[in-house]
Amino acid sequence: DAKTTQPNSMESNEEEPVHLPCNHSTISGTDYIHWYRQLPSQGPEYVIHGLTSNVNNRMASLAIAEDRKSSTLILHRATLRDAAVYYCILRRGAQKLVFGQGTRLTINP
Amino acid sequence: GAGVSQSPSNKVTEKGKDVELRCDPISGHTALYWYRQSLGQGLEFLIYFQGNSAPDKSGLPSDRFSAERTGGSVSTLTIQRTQQEDSAVYLCASSSQPVGMNTEAFFGQGTRLTVV
Repeated sequence: DAKTTQPNSMESNEEEPVHLPCNHSTISGTDYIHWYRQLPSQGPEYVIHGLTSNVNNRMASLAIAEDRKSSTLILHRATLRDAAVYYCILRRGAQKLVFGQGTRLTINP
Repeated sequence: GAGVSQSPSNKVTEKGKDVELRCDPISGHTALYWYRQSLGQGLEFLIYFQGNSAPDKSGLPSDRFSAERTGGSVSTLTIQRTQQEDSAVYLCASSSQPVGMNTEAFFGQGTRLTVV
């Protein structure tokens, strides 16, 4: 399985943008980049995914490097509710969904 | 129901007893996953069912753990002769056909298992 590398933790302030990085240098051409997050005491929830082009949805934006070896999840205006563990996952075909350790995001009021 | 439903939400059992945890996936979802999450730890993959294919059991930690999925819908995770290290939150997720690159997985709220 292609691996991802994320910082263990990050901190940001409320109402400021947050950029969460993910390195995936062994990504293959058919791997999709998925992001999930897990709020305290809840199951994970889907955030966003992409293949090559940058993606936007109501929750976040995903910026994918041209060589696809890294990506960045962007929360445009963080709120306290965005405090969670964020997981960057590569998904190939119908392979199982495997979570790494993720980045624990703390939002300061 | 609208989402993935797991039952019970909490389970306390004595060491050595067997337990069954249930997962009702979203209707029509052909892929179903089980994970466990020990306190303060990440999600550990256990087993993956995809349609009629043989399940991927590569994450089951021991032969005390087993899971089945009847009729392509409801799944039961069984832990025999429970041990204290089995205490964790057990999470179930499902996703739709076609499974894979372009679909998202939906998670239940989990079953918190405590072995005393």
